[in-house]
Amino acid sequence: DAGITQSPRHKVTETGTPVTLRCHQTENHRYMYWYRQDPGHGLRLIHYSYGVKDTDKGEVSDGYSVSRSKTEDFLLTLESATSSQTSVYFCAISDWLAGVYTGELFFGEGSRLTVL
Amino acid sequence: AQKITQTQPGMFVQEKEAVTLDCTYDTSDQSYGLFWYKQPSSGEMIFLIYQGSYDEQNATEGRYSLNFQKARKSANLVISASQLGDSAMYFCAMREGRTGNQFYFGTGTSLTVIP
Repeated sequence: DAGITQSPRHKVTETGTPVTLRCHQTENHRYMYWYRQDPGHGLRLIHYSYGVKDTDKGEVSDGYSVSRSKTEDFLLTLESATSSQTSVYFCAISDWLAGVYTGELFFGEGSRLTVL
Repeated sequence: AQKITQTQPGMFVQEKEAVTLDCTYDTSDQSYGLFWYKQPSSGEMIFLIYQGSYDEQNATEGRYSLNFQKARKSANLVISASQLGDSAMYFCAMREGRTGNQFYFGTGTSLTVIP
């Protein structure tokens, strides 16, 4: 199994409070991703990173920020949580090199966030 | 436009029968990858199978095969000899982009295997 750890795994918080989710990998993969999963929507990309301090927005980035100061860590921050951000958040990693890696995503176990 | 379309929200199959889960994709890139993932009720995401856009043969992994029709932009997953443990959500995904770092997922198909 790929070494990906998400923390916390479960969190309940109140509207307006800041929340940070952490993703830690031991695989030295270049790419790291944050997805949210909601019924009927599948997985939607929030932000991704292609290297230390290199990040970009996904399709549902509003209200979220990320940071990657080390290869192994990718943080997702909700500056002021809202009830619409109640979801299951997945971190994923990959590496892709033509003819070497196919680039499949390896997922963490997910973090369930409830915003009251 | 949706990058990945899965038109079957739910499917049922009899145990030991084969089932096909549909997936169509939209890209203008020549180089891309197609993936299928399984998510059982426990919640983890399990990689099943991969097909590269330049691969001429359909990918196979055990009981899983990917029916890749490039001209139709479809990448259907075929599960042969269904087992009760195959009951899960199945997601089709595509990696595209020159740097290979853009991933898109479909909305998923819930498969139920009936004893």
